[in-house]
Amino acid sequence: DAGVIQSPRHEVTEMGQEVTLRCKPISGHDYLFWYRQTMMRGLELLIYFNNNVPIDDSGMPEDRFSAKMPNASFSTLKIQPSEPRDSAVYFCASSLSGAAGVNEKLFFGSGTQLSVL
Amino acid sequence: KNQVEQSPQSLIILEGKNCTLQCNYTVSPFSNLRWYKQDTGRGPVSLTIMTFSENTKSNGRYTATLDADTKQSSLHITASQLSDSASYICVVSAGYNTDKLIFGTGTRLQVFP
Repeated sequence: DAGVIQSPRHEVTEMGQEVTLRCKPISGHDYLFWYRQTMMRGLELLIYFNNNVPIDDSGMPEDRFSAKMPNASFSTLKIQPSEPRDSAVYFCASSLSGAAGVNEKLFFGSGTQLSVL
Repeated sequence: KNQVEQSPQSLIILEGKNCTLQCNYTVSPFSNLRWYKQDTGRGPVSLTIMTFSENTKSNGRYTATLDADTKQSSLHITASQLSDSASYICVVSAGYNTDKLIFGTGTRLQVFP
């Protein structure tokens, strides 16, 4: 398996533009998580899905952020309009059966480095 | 407030030396604690997972310890190698009815020849 695949690896855009980040989870994994990583705050959970259904989006910072999972093999995180403070690395992760149990392991993608000028 | 704090923020050591990274948490209830390794430009990769009943867990040259009473954990790296240069992130699971993990901000380790 190729692991969790994210695209693009790097995204540079101007303030006000729409940004779409993409993720393909590991086949067979029922859970998909979107995280944001900054130097100051570390990794923060934005939203996660179970069987394509959003379970908890309380970490989504504002209405400018939205996420979808139309099928088991694809998810998007969209920011519209983007702002400079959205600059961060965005990670997608997937797991077989959750994230927090002792037998549950998260598998992360390589992330998308977003820079909003 | 559930928090995970790590120290030091950064560390420089010479190849072949040992080092210990610290993690203190105030997460309650507590389910398990993980250490992740994150190479530059990559996503985190799990090193160890420990429940409250486990005091020590090893993964090759990495040994994690847990003291659930004092809510402290450490990650000891033996005979460091250049490939150990990475960020090490302590992560705590906040209970049994959640899929949320509490992440520390990491310790940046640099190993020089």
